[in-house]
Amino acid sequence: DTAVSQTPKYLVTQMGNDKSIKCEQNLGHDTMYWYKQDSKKFLKIMFSYNNKELIINETVPNRFSPKSPDKAHLNLHINSLELGDSAVYFCASSKMRDYGYTFGSGTRLTVV
Amino acid sequence: AQTVTQSQPEMSVQEAETVTLSCTYDTSESNYYLFWYKQPPSRQMILVIRQEAYKQQNATENRFSVNFQKAAKSFSLKISDSQLGDTAMYFCAFVTRGANSKLTFGKGITLSVRP
Repeated sequence: DTAVSQTPKYLVTQMGNDKSIKCEQNLGHDTMYWYKQDSKKFLKIMFSYNNKELIINETVPNRFSPKSPDKAHLNLHINSLELGDSAVYFCASSKMRDYGYTFGSGTRLTVV
Repeated sequence: AQTVTQSQPEMSVQEAETVTLSCTYDTSESNYYLFWYKQPPSRQMILVIRQEAYKQQNATENRFSVNFQKAAKSFSLKISDSQLGDTAMYFCAFVTRGANSKLTFGKGITLSVRP
């Protein structure tokens, strides 16, 4: 009964390819996020959606495009993958005015 | 800008002993929340403990407790009776209240519990 689930858990792909990561939460939260954890384990927010509306868009290359079809789902599509995109990508969710974030188990993306 | 600083990159503790992990933060806001997250080798991010800035009482969750010093902007985590399963990376994090708030993390500290 996973609260925040991401697929796939591992993704190995070649430079230049396009890939997507999917995220779903069954907590009834209204806000969802994408975080990137780099090779030094630093976690940085990329995007945030509240009820399908984009509310945070950090300085992220245009090759990254989030999509939220409904408030329980937030997907991340990456075009023209580069070596520097290799990282662990975490999806998270929170309830408005609660501020406790629940994280998915992460997707390790390796670009070769 | 809001920042979270964890100045110790690594710490080690003997099993059953107590260890304290340090964290400082910087913000001009008065209403915010502080968290400690644990990331074991499985890479799952696990919420350990949270503190609401307007509450003076320090939060406690079983063997985990915090020392929250609002004036000093300090938020340390104390782990009592350390267990091997506590070996992990620990992240201090901070979020302000508001519609566009975002959880900001420190760089993390690697804690090793020795048998």
